[in-house]
Amino acid sequence: EQQVQQSPASLVLQEAENAELQCSFSIFTNQVQWFYQRPGGRLVSLLYNPSGTKQSGRLTSTTVIKERRSSLHISSSQITDSGTYLCATYNSAGNKLTFGIGTRVLVRP
Amino acid sequence: EAAVTQSPRNKVTVTGGNVTLSCRQTNSHNYMYWYRQDTGHGLRLIHYSYGAGNLQIGDVPDGYKATRTTQEDFFLLLELASPSQTSLYFCASRDNANTEVFFGKGTRLTVV
Repeated sequence: EQQVQQSPASLVLQEAENAELQCSFSIFTNQVQWFYQRPGGRLVSLLYNPSGTKQSGRLTSTTVIKERRSSLHISSSQITDSGTYLCATYNSAGNKLTFGIGTRVLVRP
Repeated sequence: EAAVTQSPRNKVTVTGGNVTLSCRQTNSHNYMYWYRQDTGHGLRLIHYSYGAGNLQIGDVPDGYKATRTTQEDFFLLLELASPSQTSLYFCASRDNANTEVFFGKGTRLTVV
């Protein structure tokens, strides 16, 4: 069964600081996806990154499949970046998506 | 962007009650999923389906039934609701080729 671990559990940033969120998974997979969620809100897909490095605006994801890990880099954080960031990976069959518990990010002015 | 619509958005029911949560997606995606989200547990997969009439068991299926009546519609049924099923429920969909997953806004269910 796929297990996904995320670190840190929470993070406080001053506006404009950078941050690096980590995700590790127990089973080799070629599908890693990062999501963002406000408290009680819907999950918004940020990046689908099966391997290598992928960027979207101020977000950069780097996935190293052979090491079973992925990271999400937030550059020049903004107050509106506050929320929970979730990492998810598929099982080997590619049909079940398993989530980590998430990293809660608070960006202060 | 794919549209995934859940209803109702909020529901309160009594212990032992019968509840149906609805999910509709309008992008002809093959896969649909039901998750529950609880503090300390994150999102956990209840049931999923890869087409009309198909049902697959997820990781926390006890106490839940699901039915995929059409390509668009996926229902989650709680026939004897218990307080432990108080949670935030999310529906999601994706197609085969594009693995990006799209989520609905969620249904907050309270069982008193």
